Amino acid sequence: SQQGEEDPQALSIQEGENATMNCSYKTSINNLQWYRQNSGRGLVHLILIRSNEREKHSGRLRVTLDTSKKSSSLLITASRAADTASYFCATVLIIQGAQKLVFGQGTRLTINP
Amino acid sequence: NAGVTQTPKFQVLKTGQSMTLQCAQDMNHEYMSWYRQDPGMGLRLIHYSVGAGITDQGEVPNGYNVSRSTTEDFPLRLLSAAPSQTSVYFCASSYSMFTAFLDGNTGELFFGEGSRLTVL
Repeated sequence: SQQGEEDPQALSIQEGENATMNCSYKTSINNLQWYRQNSGRGLVHLILIRSNEREKHSGRLRVTLDTSKKSSSLLITASRAADTASYFCATVLIIQGAQKLVFGQGTRLTINP
Repeated sequence: NAGVTQTPKFQVLKTGQSMTLQCAQDMNHEYMSWYRQDPGMGLRLIHYSVGAGITDQGEVPNGYNVSRSTTEDFPLRLLSAAPSQTSVYFCASSYSMFTAFLDGNTGELFFGEGSRLTVL
């Protein structure tokens, strides 16, 4: 079952523009994480936002969290060609008492030079 | 630190063959896990371990076995490979479970570079 679902599935923008990706989830969360995956590589953790936080910044990344709407957004400002990658949100599901980190299907971001 | 190391990077198997994907981490992480990534399916959790001697099933455990005899290693075994197991497999580890509030750590996962498996 998918806990996090990213939107859009694919996004193509010009270098220098801002890129916004959204993630919706179904159950209550403790925190939400965003990861990046370059083609053919493993995932890399970008940022974590706790359920009692509404916004968090890291360099050119800005993450927001709206627990009432069960949604999060990742904004990349002043995009660069190197930002081309797939971006995933991940949340923790409690299944039969065990914590499991579940990923969405990802947003494929292409930055055109 | 090497981080999370997976071997092999590529493997081709015939239906019915067995093999083991190796995963090792040198960060003294308690938590280790295996995911598979398929087009349009995202990442799905296969098995995970919260410490040496402890393993549990994820979302898609059928056809896979794991063991955790040491903190560092978490091999994934395919006992009788099937074409449906053609996928990219990722091993990931974390300092502990994802209780960022309780112990202050981020709960982030560190991923290996992946193992691309094709079953003919």
